[in-house]
Amino acid sequence: GAVVSQHPSWVICKSGTSVKIECRSLDFQATTMFWYRQFPKQSLMLMATSNEGSKATYEQGVEKDKFLINHASLTLSTLTVTSAHPEDSSFYICSGRANYEQFFGPGTRLTVL
Amino acid sequence: KQEVTQIPAALSVPEGENLVLNCSFTDSAIYNLQWFRQDPGKGLTSLLLIQSSQREQTSGRLNASLDKSSGRSTLYIAASQPGDSATYLCAVKREETSGSRLTFGEGTQLTVNP
Repeated sequence: GAVVSQHPSWVICKSGTSVKIECRSLDFQATTMFWYRQFPKQSLMLMATSNEGSKATYEQGVEKDKFLINHASLTLSTLTVTSAHPEDSSFYICSGRANYEQFFGPGTRLTVL
Repeated sequence: KQEVTQIPAALSVPEGENLVLNCSFTDSAIYNLQWFRQDPGKGLTSLLLIQSSQREQTSGRLNASLDKSSGRSTLYIAASQPGDSATYLCAVKREETSGSRLTFGEGTQLTVNP
């Protein structure tokens, strides 16, 4: 299957700082990437859909000014959590679409102190 | 609004047992259904994808079936092994467009005891 990488795999930051998470499709071009958030013992919740070269579409309740998404190329999408707070601590997973399937990255564990 | 439910939420079985995980969805107008495996603290690994026109898919010891009209899918795991311990998620896609999202169930946490 297609491979998606994320960087970093985990990050710890102080409250009020911004954190950038990178998502790369390594062996395919993803015109669409999806960003999910997963809290402990819960399933994945879609945050936004990112299309290459255009603005991301955010799900209801997700603040677009807080979670900045850039999909500048067919192989790279970034999620920036601005002014992070402890309630933003979560597991963030990206996914790229190839043919009929979505392939998921390994996730980024964000802990905000 | 599509809702996906997985039963049971957790399952513990002895090694070697055959088992079935269940997934149901409320809107039968789906494009495909996908089963994933998630290990603790890790991303998702795609196990099987069933298109809406298909009835089942098989990969090794895994067999997934789809009954679109009744809104149900099952994942059958034969001869379970401790390495199968993980959370299994099913997800449905409504339509084949680039932005069409996956709707996930809550998952079944499987423990296979040696």
